[in-house]
Amino acid sequence: AQSVTQLGSHVSVSEGALVLLRCNYSSSVPPYLFWYVQYPNQGLQLLLKYTSAATLVKGINGLEAEFQKSETSFHLTKPSAHMSDAAEYFCAVSDPYNNNDMRFGAGTRLTVKP
Amino acid sequence: GAGVSQSPRYKVAKRGQDVALRCDPISGHVSLFWYQQALGQGPEFLTYFQNEAQLDKSGLPSDRFFAERPEGSVSTLKIQRTQQEDSAVYLCASSLTQGVGNTIYFGEGSWLTVV
Repeated sequence: AQSVTQLGSHVSVSEGALVLLRCNYSSSVPPYLFWYVQYPNQGLQLLLKYTSAATLVKGINGLEAEFQKSETSFHLTKPSAHMSDAAEYFCAVSDPYNNNDMRFGAGTRLTVKP
Repeated sequence: GAGVSQSPRYKVAKRGQDVALRCDPISGHVSLFWYQQALGQGPEFLTYFQNEAQLDKSGLPSDRFFAERPEGSVSTLKIQRTQQEDSAVYLCASSLTQGVGNTIYFGEGSWLTVV
């Protein structure tokens, strides 16, 4: 079975500062990993995903996440925070051979201060 | 439609009342998922359909929860005799196939409050 732990339920950064959202996973098989964002009263939007190709995955607006097998991590980074980045971020893991059972972390709420 | 559509967006139910939540997946998407998201938590898997077949319902919390997708497109999640702990956002998602790594697209959710 897979599981995800997101370290830090709340992260606050200043506008223009580095954003680092932490995600550690547990999986009995090589996992697929995902980052989703959720804005208030909206559904989840996929930001980026790791599916066993390049370990460094790049998304839009400078978002990146690196799959690090030795640390069982898939942290999300952005070099410079913008006010519009404020939202809830969820890391998720799935079994590549059975991706109907995607497991989500509890989420990290990102606040961006002016 | 362009995205996954869910209705109603908001529902207030009295304890003991039955509710039905509807999901219209993206046209042509074979796979359909239901998740439950409690306040301050991540989504929890409820059930999964491939076309009209319900292949996994291991996440349904009790026999009061029932889901169907009779024609392989629209799905309905029904909750009988609602209880306060059923209050949550119910998210529907769909993907083109059940293939590995396929992107899953989420709807905006149905917010259920049981009073």
